[in-house]
Amino acid sequence: EVQLLESGGDLVQPGGSLRLSCAGSGFTFNNYVMNWVRQAPGKGLEWVSGISGSGDNTNYADSVKGRFTISRDNSKNTLYLQMNSLRAEDTAVYYCAKGAIALSGMTTPFDLWGRGTLVTVSS
Amino acid sequence: SYVLTQPPSVSVAPGQTARITCGGNNIGGKSVQWYQQRPGQAPVLVVYEDTDRPSGIPERFSGSNSGTTATLTISRVEAGDEADYYCQVWDSSSGHLYVFGTGTKVTVL
Repeated sequence: EVQLLESGGDLVQPGGSLRLSCAGSGFTFNNYVMNWVRQAPGKGLEWVSGISGSGDNTNYADSVKGRFTISRDNSKNTLYLQMNSLRAEDTAVYYCAKGAIALSGMTTPFDLWGRGTLVTVSS
Repeated sequence: SYVLTQPPSVSVAPGQTARITCGGNNIGGKSVQWYQQRPGQAPVLVVYEDTDRPSGIPERFSGSNSGTTATLTISRVEAGDEADYYCQVWDSSSGHLYVFGTGTKVTVL
């Protein structure tokens, strides 16, 4: 079965750090761009970061640039998001999302999403 | 930054047609995706590259894009279509590589 499974969400204090993981299965993981998208409680979707299939190319939203780092381990079929200097406004459900087109450039529709993991930043 | 504006809500009776708009500067020159998010669930891609449907998405879902407005049309609406819908484009000039619309809640009466 083709699926994505996120983990690592937790309650963390402002200024703290957290690492999210997303395990992919049922597809050739290293052939696809992967992304993180977040959704604050009761709000809309916000793209956070993306990474190419090889891991050589990364992009970030301005709101997280310099604080978050996306990476992947293709030997483990796993995507990561290292989040540092967390703020209250980072509170959200974080989804990982798979690019739809194999071996594509960075811009591709998201055809598979995980169920999300909740990050709460609060003292 | 690039902004996509959607109506907050659309109400439609079962069997009728729902149209959800997505407004943006020269959006007709961009490729538009649409995602459906049912309550408590992850988003699902229903239309990509303006008009194409992924496998498994009913033909009742269709898209168009021209000028300053893209539109998602849901024909013969069913109760299961009740969800939030988001448009999305790629915009390398803004602070977000991918920009999502503000979202539209579709209510089936």
